[in-house]
Amino acid sequence: EVQLVESGGGLVQPGGSVRLSCEASGFAFSDYTMNWVRQSPGKGLEWVALISGFDTSTYYADSVRGRFIISKDAAKNSVYLQMNSLRAEDTALYYCVREDRDARDYWGQGIMVTVSS
Amino acid sequence: QSVLTQPPSVSAAPGEKVSITCSGGSSNIGLHLVCWYQHFPGTAPRLLIYQVHKRPSGIPDRFSASKSGTSATLDITGLQTGDEADYYCGAWDDNLRAYLFGTGTKVTVL
Repeated sequence: EVQLVESGGGLVQPGGSVRLSCEASGFAFSDYTMNWVRQSPGKGLEWVALISGFDTSTYYADSVRGRFIISKDAAKNSVYLQMNSLRAEDTALYYCVREDRDARDYWGQGIMVTVSS
Repeated sequence: QSVLTQPPSVSAAPGEKVSITCSGGSSNIGLHLVCWYQHFPGTAPRLLIYQVHKRPSGIPDRFSASKSGTSATLDITGLQTGDEADYYCGAWDDNLRAYLFGTGTKVTVL
């Protein structure tokens, strides 16, 4: 059974940093591209970033490029999102998502990040 | 960043059909496979349709989808109260080098 479990969220001050982790199980982690997707309160889904399972290339949404870094550790079956220079508009529920041939097919339960003073 | 446009809401009575359109452009829907996601508030979103029209196991055939040019459509037939959720289309965009979700559509069963 595919499982994705996020951790590391919480309350962060504007300008601060936080690192989200996602531990994967139930599939060959290294074979898959992994994504982070977020949903701000009252808003729709917003794709944040991905790291390729093939060559570890990374892609980011314009809204986070230069502030967020996605990475992974295959030995730990984990993907991370380092979030720096946080803003109030980064407040959201962050989902770790597996990608299979263009489809975001398995989603974690999400972890909340609140940016507030 | 989203340039995939959906109607904010659609509604119909139980048993009827609703259609949700997703309008994009030549750099996203026009070039790439479209997916649809179902999201019940408070739960994780679920993949509903992939590769334009395929359903993951467990998704009933009441859900179907198609694509034409730079637009895609999700149809839900035999509408049930349990279908009340938010629905999002999604596709990669070559110009933005980003994955786009649609603006989202809330389905209401009257």
